[in-house]
Parts: sequence; C-alpha cells; structure tokens
Amino acid sequence: GAVVSQHPSRVICKSGTSVKIECRSLDFQATTMFWYRQFPKKSLMLMATSNEGSKATYEQGVEKDKFLINHASLTLSTLTVTSAHPEDSSFYICSASGASGYTDTQYFGPGTRLTVL
Amino acid sequence: RKEVEQDPGPFNVPEGATVAFNCTYSNSASQSFFWYRQDCRKEPKLLMSVYSSGNEDGRFTAQLNRASQYISLLIRDSKLSDSATYLCVVRGNFNKFYFGSGTKLNVKP
Repeated sequence: GAVVSQHPSRVICKSGTSVKIECRSLDFQATTMFWYRQFPKKSLMLMATSNEGSKATYEQGVEKDKFLINHASLTLSTLTVTSAHPEDSSFYICSASGASGYTDTQYFGPGTRLTVL
Repeated sequence: RKEVEQDPGPFNVPEGATVAFNCTYSNSASQSFFWYRQDCRKEPKLLMSVYSSGNEDGRFTAQLNRASQYISLLIRDSKLSDSATYLCVVRGNFNKFYFGSGTKLNVKP
C-alpha cells in the first residue's frame, strides 16, 4: 500500500518552456501533498505544501508564480514549472500524506529529473 | 537552530559492523518520528516509524528519547546494500514535517 506515482520521470526541455509534473496517490487519499526539489548531493528542499481544494503554501524564497501547484483532487497534485530556465534543472519529488493518524507519514513519488537546456 | 539535526557523516564501516545514528529535534511538541533511507538519485523511502517504546525490524532498531529530544537508528550486521543516506524526519503540528539533512553510510566489503 501507500504507492505514489510521478510523471514524467525525466524531462528535457528548452529554456522558456513550461513543464507540468503530475503526482498521484494510487491507493490512498492524500489530504496533503508536498513538493520538494533536490540538487545533486544536497538535502531535500521543501518547496510547497498543498491541501486538496485549497491554495498551496509556499516556502520562503519559492516563487508561487513560477512554480504553479494545483491539488484538485485527493489523488492528484500537479506542479508546473513556468518559463523554465537552466537553473531550474533539478530533481523534483512529490510526496503524499493521508488522513490524520498517529503513524501518518509521507510517501514519496519516484521523482522527476528536469533538465532545462 | 534547525528543527532536526543529524551528523552528515559519512560513516564508513566494514560489512558486519554495527552502526548507530542519532538525530536531535528542537520542538518538544513533535508528534511522530521516522527514519527514511535515500539511495543516490532516488526518492526517500520509509524505513521505519519510531515509537516511544522503541521498535525493531530485523537488523534495524529505532529508539526515541523524548526527554532528551533525540531519536536513534541502530543497524546490526551491516550489509553492502545498507549503503545509503538515512534521513531523520519529525512530524510536528498541522501535519508539518521536518527533515534532517541526512547521514551518509558507506558499508565496505
């Protein structure tokens, strides 16, 4: 149980284009989804937290107009990197958290490796 | 001060060794505690939750000390496949999760 999928797994795009990444919880309802970015040999960096049906909460320093997050249902959240630039190249990972419970935790998707040329 | 702190390592140990990692957290109201492992260029995967009474899963033992605000992970009989980065994760109020920066483990033949 607790499977999270992410699509695409890898994307290469030209500078200036927009890229959409999908995150799906396959076998549970995700009340909260998280989006992270990770640069090589660095720690995970939380970008934003989204709750189903409400606006995402962005971490300090993350531009909400550049990284558009939509969490329209309990099983799907999307991250759109708008007008991507080479410095946006990174490993983007989503995670999902289910309904409240003492042992509730985050389950991660396999990640999307974005390369902007 | 960071919410969750870990020794980044690396810990270089021979196969068969026992190795322990500690992690400290700053918020005494933290509710849940977890260890994840992350392999190079992969996503973090839940290794185990950490319960107040301590818990064991095969070669892995996790313990929580609320008074001193730390959690630990003990790995016995290390295998080459245990080489990874181990992330300490603490869940606070409002479903907010705090990640340590990870401790790197290298198990050598």
